[in-house]
Formats: sequence, structure tokens, C-alpha cells
Amino acid sequence: GEDVEQSLFLSVREGDSSVINCTYTDSSSTYLYWYKQEPGAGLQLLTYIFSNMDMKQDQRLTVLLNKKDKHLSLRIADTQTGDSAIYFCAESGNAGNMLTFGGGTRLMVKP
Amino acid sequence: EAGVAQSPRYKIIEKRQSVAFWCNPISGHATLYWYQQILGQGPKLLIQFQNNGVVDDSQLPKDRFSAERLKGVDSTLKIQPAKLEDSAVYLCASSLNVLRDTQYFGPGTRLTVL
Repeated sequence: GEDVEQSLFLSVREGDSSVINCTYTDSSSTYLYWYKQEPGAGLQLLTYIFSNMDMKQDQRLTVLLNKKDKHLSLRIADTQTGDSAIYFCAESGNAGNMLTFGGGTRLMVKP
Repeated sequence: EAGVAQSPRYKIIEKRQSVAFWCNPISGHATLYWYQQILGQGPKLLIQFQNNGVVDDSQLPKDRFSAERLKGVDSTLKIQPAKLEDSAVYLCASSLNVLRDTQYFGPGTRLTVL
């Protein structure tokens, strides 16, 4: 079945850029998503990219997609302490709108 | 616009007991999803409804889990009887329709089975 992998943890200093990486196996993935989860809260959609794009920028967020390598990244510019959370990569393939999530990357931002 | 509502937020039960969770999706959203998120893992889809019909329930442990969305709006997810490994956060999400629409998540119900 489909598989989505992420590194477990990332620590950065406030003001630096953060890059969170994700790899996936489903070559039929059509949309790839980044969600943010803060403690005790549900998942908040940050951004998404369609599989025929290789980059999308949205304010401080930049998503890069390498479809050949099945690699997705999320770059957060000027990272703030409020960005501390768990970030989930997810993909949806051809089967309806079902999302397959990675295990999440915990981002810790140090002042 | 009101978000996805879920209740209760927390539930503690003993194994072999029953439990039910409730979800109210965003108004007008035809598609509703239930996910299970075990601590330290990403959410896993349990069941997907389109209006009051089931689109996919292949990951739902049907011997103990059941879900319904009788009038195509609210939904309930039930576990009977609960096992220790059912301890998790149960997330409800909704989207306008089943085709490539953004899913919006509720705050979840944290279940602890003792």
C-alpha cells in the first residue's frame, strides 16, 4: 500500500529557516498536503500542491515537489516560536479523497 | 464559518466497555471522515461517508467499530467492546465533496482505555 515517511524531529532557532522533508511511494498521488497540529488540537491545513507543480509559495511557506524522487519539502522562512508543532505530510491518490499521512515531524523552535 | 465539532473531547473507559463519539461537520459538507490517531503516529482513515452512504470502510475493524451518518449530516462512531489498543485520538474531518476537496479537521476526542 501507500507509504509516507517523515523524519521525527527538527530543532531550529527563532528567525532561521526550517525545512521539513517527506517521501512517499504512491506514484499516482495527485495532491500532496502539509498539515500542522498543535498540542490538543486537530489538524490545520497549511498548504497543498498539485502533482504537476514543482513549487508553491504562500507567504512564509514554500513547498517543493520532486515527483521523480517522490520527495516533498516544506520550508518555513523566519521561523517563530508559534511555529512549534507537529507537521504532517499527506498524499491523496486516485482512490477518492482518502489521505495517507506520514508519522509527523515535531518542530521545536528555540528562542 | 463554524468548524467541525466533536464531542466529547476526552473519554476514559475500562476495557470491554462501550463508547460513542459524535461529529458535526461544517455546514454543507457532503463528505465526512473518521480517523484514528495513535500517539506518535499520523492519522489513519477508518471510514469515509458521502452524504449518508459509506465510500470506504476498508480500515474499520468491523468486529468492534461501527459508524453511521443516518441523515447525511452528523455522524457517530462507536466502539464495542473497547480494547487497550483503541486508546487514541479520534478525529473527524469533512470536505465539500469526495473529489479532491480540502479536508477540515475537528479537535478530536482523546480516548483512554484502561
